[in-house]
Amino acid sequence: QSVLTQPPSASGTPGQRVTISCSGSSSNIGSNTVNWYQQLPGTAPKLLIYSNNQRPSGVPDRFSGSKSGTSASLAISGLQSEDEADYYCAAYDDSLNGPVFGGGTKLTVL
Amino acid sequence: EVQLVQSGAEVKKPGESLKISCKGSGYTYTNYWIGWVRQMPGKGLEWMGIIYPGDSDTRYSPSFQGQVTISVDKSINTAYLQWSSLKASDTAIYYCANRKEGAFDIWGQGTMVTVSS
Repeated sequence: QSVLTQPPSASGTPGQRVTISCSGSSSNIGSNTVNWYQQLPGTAPKLLIYSNNQRPSGVPDRFSGSKSGTSASLAISGLQSEDEADYYCAAYDDSLNGPVFGGGTKLTVL
Repeated sequence: EVQLVQSGAEVKKPGESLKISCKGSGYTYTNYWIGWVRQMPGKGLEWMGIIYPGDSDTRYSPSFQGQVTISVDKSINTAYLQWSSLKASDTAIYYCANRKEGAFDIWGQGTMVTVSS
């Protein structure tokens, strides 16, 4: 049981816009910034979004993040086949004194 | 190029000890925390603990406290994760990652650990 809650799966067709939600509590998302990671099949995770809505260099602007209260969302616009991956949200948890992850969402491009 | 390179895959028997490594290059190693993350087969990411190479300050997730030991040798830019007595349930991929601005921005390639009799 992960501290942050994500839907286990999401899907979309090429060119569509999809969103992935992440729900937490006052001790994590409610009081700290949210990061998102992309894990392509068989590879290490990669930082996709940090500080709620910032993209590291090299991440396409098709990816965007937002946060409101104790929830956050990742949006992917202009969906492409190479976006098929697992996506994880994460935030620091003040009660656990460390970062916590969501359970991950498997994105399928139909 | 900033990178973290981890040691290779390991196959061990229950009860054996193990120490895996994570070597950083391309940046000032002592300035950023290094975290360890577990991914069990077909499962999600779990934070295990984190160490600051500058002074070896170490924090553990409550779930992993007492189960593993995290250490660092800053003279060779290398962090370690070790077990004194492995269990089958330790079978997983272990990632190290550099923590910057509150996020794990650079990840190692992962070390697969298989524990089987």
